[in-house]
Amino acid sequence: DARVTQTPRHKVTEMGQEVTMRCQPILGHNTVFWYRQTMMQGLELLAYFRNRAPLDDSGMPKDRFSAEMPDATLATLKIQPSEPRDSAVYFCASGSTDFNEKLFFGSGTQLSVL
Amino acid sequence: AQSVTQLDSHVSVSEGTPVLLRCNYSSSYSPSLFWYVQHPNKGLQLLLKYTSAATLVKGINGFEAEFKKSETSFHLTKPSAHMSDAAEYFCVVSEANDYKLSFGAGTTVTVRA
Repeated sequence: DARVTQTPRHKVTEMGQEVTMRCQPILGHNTVFWYRQTMMQGLELLAYFRNRAPLDDSGMPKDRFSAEMPDATLATLKIQPSEPRDSAVYFCASGSTDFNEKLFFGSGTQLSVL
Repeated sequence: AQSVTQLDSHVSVSEGTPVLLRCNYSSSYSPSLFWYVQHPNKGLQLLLKYTSAATLVKGINGFEAEFKKSETSFHLTKPSAHMSDAAEYFCVVSEANDYKLSFGAGTTVTVRA
C-alpha cells in the first residue's frame, strides 16, 4: 500500500535546538500539507505546497519555522530555535489537486521540547 | 469561512450497540464534508466523504453518514460497534474543492466489552 512516510516518529530535544522533520509523500501526489496537532488547538494547517511550491504558510510562525520541498519526494519542516510550546504531533499529508479526494496522512512526528 | 462543531467530546458504547457521532457545520458555499478516524499513534484515515452527490454516504468499516442541509449536520453512525472502532473521530469541512480543511475538535470513542 502506498503511504506517506514521516521521520522521525519521536523527537525529544532541548529548547533552542534545531529540529528537522521529514516527509516522503506518496509518489504522484502533487499536494503536500503540514499539520500540527495539540490538545488545546486540535489540528492546525501550517503549510500547503502544490507542485513543490509553497502556496500557503500563513499558519506557520515565520520567525522560527520553515518548510521546503527540495524535490518531489521530500518535504521538510524545520524549527529553529525550538521552544517548549512547539511540543506537538506534526503530521504530513499528501494528495492530488482534486480536494474532494482524500488526503493521505503520515503517522506523525511526536515532538517534545524540554 | 467554514467551521465544524462536534457535539460530543467523548462517546462510550458497548460492543455490538449502535454508535452515533454528531457533527454540525457552517459553510458559506456548497461544502465538502469528511469523517476521518485516528487510531492511537497513527495518522488520520478517511472513513467517508460527502461532495454533493447522494446525501447518505457509506464509508469503510460499516460507517455511514447523512448530510442534512436543513440541519447543517453530518452525523456519523454505525449499527454495531466493534472493539476496533475505539479511536478518535474528526468531522472535517471544506468549501467545495478548496484545500483548506476545518477540523472539528474530535470525538473519542471507547467501546466496552
